[in-house]
Amino acid sequence: KNQVEQSPQSLIILEGKNCTLQCNYTVSPFSNLRWYKQDTGRGPVSLTIMTFSENTKSNGRYTATLDADTKQSSLHITASQLSDSASYICVVSEGGYNKLIFGAGTRLAVHP
Amino acid sequence: GAGVSQSPSNKVTEKGKDVELRCDPISGHTALYWYRQRLGQGLEFLIYFQGNSAPDKSGLPSDRFSAERTGESVSTLTIQRTQQEDSAVYLCASSSQAGGRTDTQYFGPGTRLTVL
Repeated sequence: KNQVEQSPQSLIILEGKNCTLQCNYTVSPFSNLRWYKQDTGRGPVSLTIMTFSENTKSNGRYTATLDADTKQSSLHITASQLSDSASYICVVSEGGYNKLIFGAGTRLAVHP
Repeated sequence: GAGVSQSPSNKVTEKGKDVELRCDPISGHTALYWYRQRLGQGLEFLIYFQGNSAPDKSGLPSDRFSAERTGESVSTLTIQRTQQEDSAVYLCASSSQAGGRTDTQYFGPGTRLTVL
């Protein structure tokens, strides 16, 4: 069964600190992997998209990595800000079209 | 408008009633998706449109759920005989093409459905 699992389920960090969120998947065939940020009560916003051949991609203070061999991805947030408090969702695209398999998300809280 | 819009933003209905949710995608986007997000859970894929046809309806949870799209634009998701378990936020997304390996899906703000 195609699945996307994220860890930790929730995380609290202090403002200015770094953190890393994990994503493991069993989706096959794999097309691409995306990280989304979802603020409470809002729709998800895309942070990064990576295909099979990409190992890392950055978007400002967000850096995503992908290991297609081990089927693992991580999202690293540098110098966290209060506005980073949100759910971060790992999404894997199955096959040749955009059927997306969503992880349950990691809820990040950044405290002053 | 510049983004995906959905209406209504909130809908409260009684069990057994039918509801219609509307999605206006970004102009020119050929692909449109519906998702459901129950409280505290991840997004669940419902249905995907390419143009006005739906090649993938595999996520629709029951025959009470249906969706259509007209004019390669507006889409409506209809839930008949609503049940309390249908309570969720229903999200719509659109993208400029389907099958593209890196096209971004842009999400609307969602419709929060509460079935009493």
